[in-house]
Amino acid sequence: NAGVTQTPKFQVLKTGQSMTLQCAQDMNHNSMYWYRQDPGMGLRLIYYSASEGTTDKGEVPNGYNVSRLNKREFSLRLESAAPSQTSVYFCASTTPGSGANVLTFGAGSRLTVL
Amino acid sequence: QQPVQSPQAVILREGEDAVINCSSSKALYSVHWYRQKHGEAPVFLMILLKGGEQKGHDKISASFNEKKQQSSLYLTASQLSYSGTYFCGTDRRSARQLTFGSGTQLTVLP
Repeated sequence: NAGVTQTPKFQVLKTGQSMTLQCAQDMNHNSMYWYRQDPGMGLRLIYYSASEGTTDKGEVPNGYNVSRLNKREFSLRLESAAPSQTSVYFCASTTPGSGANVLTFGAGSRLTVL
Repeated sequence: QQPVQSPQAVILREGEDAVINCSSSKALYSVHWYRQKHGEAPVFLMILLKGGEQKGHDKISASFNEKKQQSSLYLTASQLSYSGTYFCGTDRRSARQLTFGSGTQLTVLP
């Protein structure tokens, strides 16, 4: 019953460093998403992947890249981290066949950029 | 475009009722409600599809007014466990993604 697993849970970076957030789901979901959550801003979509082999930009894609490695895994990469990317990042996946994008979220990754 | 939630925060005593509103300027296919406890991931509560239906789960229910593009979440006889931040997410079918409001922080006091 793992659901959506994110790693790492916490990370501290210096400005300009790079890192990759990993996400894996074991629910056979087709679609996967990366959101960031900042105080007072709710959840904002960074990138999503409707199916294996496809990725699309969301509301706030600048400074990020993604890879849909296979059906299970969807990674988020910060090539050159900036303090504005300090946030909590959530990966989510969608129940197939629901027709309405019901999301299951991972536990989150808290990133601090100094 | 981000849906607008109101109020931003509400404090209740156990047993009291609350209403959280969510409105959009765009035509919607569905409205989702999620609850997030402090330090945890958002958890799905319910979904309302185009058609104006009302749904319920225990003492939490919601409605969707298609004409006004508004949804309301009703929490009846609040329990301590209801505390958290409530988010509405709206889905315009063509977009294939959810756009979330900024959240309503609900605190239930004993």
